[in-house]
Amino acid sequence: DQQVKQNSPSLSVQEGRISILNCDYTNSMFDYFLWYKKYPAEGPTFLISISSIKDKNEDGRFTVFLNKSAKHLSLHIVPSQPGDSAVYFCAASSTGGFKTIFGAGTRLFVKA
Amino acid sequence: EAQVTQNPRYLITVTGKKLTVTCSQNMNHEYMSWYRQDPGLGLRQIYYSMNVEVTDKGDVPEGYKVSRKEKRNFPLILESPSPNQTSLYFCASSLGDSGGYTFGSGTRLTVV
Repeated sequence: DQQVKQNSPSLSVQEGRISILNCDYTNSMFDYFLWYKKYPAEGPTFLISISSIKDKNEDGRFTVFLNKSAKHLSLHIVPSQPGDSAVYFCAASSTGGFKTIFGAGTRLFVKA
Repeated sequence: EAQVTQNPRYLITVTGKKLTVTCSQNMNHEYMSWYRQDPGLGLRQIYYSMNVEVTDKGDVPEGYKVSRKEKRNFPLILESPSPNQTSLYFCASSLGDSGGYTFGSGTRLTVV
């Protein structure tokens, strides 16, 4: 049973518009959430994270929103750029734990 | 340059022939982990290590072994590889809970 779910395998967005990637989790013990970006033939790179004590974290064009009651988080990219085209993984872990669970990933296409 | 180095990048082997994938990090990170990536399943944790001589199973440990004799190295050992271990493998390291993982570039393993 997948504890972290990314239900959209792919997303296509026009350059300059907003990209919204979604992630749901089932384990209420998770209290730290991360997003990673992956280009082909490379390892994932850490993008942004959020602790469960917050509901929003912003870093430049990237913002992560956390809705604990719904066990849902989302990554917003504004404005989207062609270089953002990649696979995005959502991940979750619990404080003091060392297991980080990843979702299946969403492939983002940003069209010029 | 801070990095996680995995070797080899590509490996084709036969069923039952023992192999080792090496992983080394130069960031003095305490946490290290191995993941495998399979289509539709995202990244699944194989083993992780909290420090030297401290390792534990992830979600898919069957058929794998690890060791952490030195802080910088965390090799993945397949004693008797089988075709279902054909996958893309990533090694990663982290300072701890508050930081994201730094991933290696991956090892594509094919077992025939």
